[in-house]
Amino acid sequence: GAGVSQSPSNKVTEKGKDVELRCDPISGHTALYWYRQSLGQGLEFLIYFQGNSAPDKSGLPSDRFSAERTGGSVSTLTIQRTQQEDSAVYLCASSPSGSVGGYTFGSGTRLTVV
Amino acid sequence: KNEVEQSPQNLTAQEGEFITINCSYSVGISALHWLQQHPGGGIVSLFMLSSGKKKHGRLIATINIQEKHSSLHITASHPRDSAVYICAVYGGSQGNLIFGKGTKLSVKP
Repeated sequence: GAGVSQSPSNKVTEKGKDVELRCDPISGHTALYWYRQSLGQGLEFLIYFQGNSAPDKSGLPSDRFSAERTGGSVSTLTIQRTQQEDSAVYLCASSPSGSVGGYTFGSGTRLTVV
Repeated sequence: KNEVEQSPQNLTAQEGEFITINCSYSVGISALHWLQQHPGGGIVSLFMLSSGKKKHGRLIATINIQEKHSSLHITASHPRDSAVYICAVYGGSQGNLIFGKGTKLSVKP
């Protein structure tokens, strides 16, 4: 596609439920990143996929968070047993071959846990 | 200490003023991004710099690699420039960006 597409744009969920957030990167971009922006906070790195390599999960805040990337394209970020502190905007970005040039952000998914 | 520090945190300006936002970083980098985030959350990459200076319209970005410092300048500011401006550095080893906390700019008519 023309840009990085994320869905849903907004998600309200009850505490304890699982949620899945989707990111469709720019076609041909081998690198995909998930970030989180909590209210009043800066952007926080979560996870990084580069081609077929094992993902860098060093930013995931707990084992309730997981992500996968199928076929080197679409990625899904899953949060299990959501907590109120998970409320944030989850941003996806992609870039060609992991280079910093061509870094493009999606418009984000605003997650609210009630 | 944060690896990427921005100043000021908040900035209010009158339309037409020249604006400077500063970014200092403590890690070795291969490049630096200036990002713009409008209310509602969408993020746009304004510049990617690895040396020198870049200009796009009324926006100018400079970087001094030796001093680990970058500045974003806005000339003839306009209310539509009101947004959060974020400095992000790319170390290269992990592939992810490290972000400053952002500068919230409000330009009054």
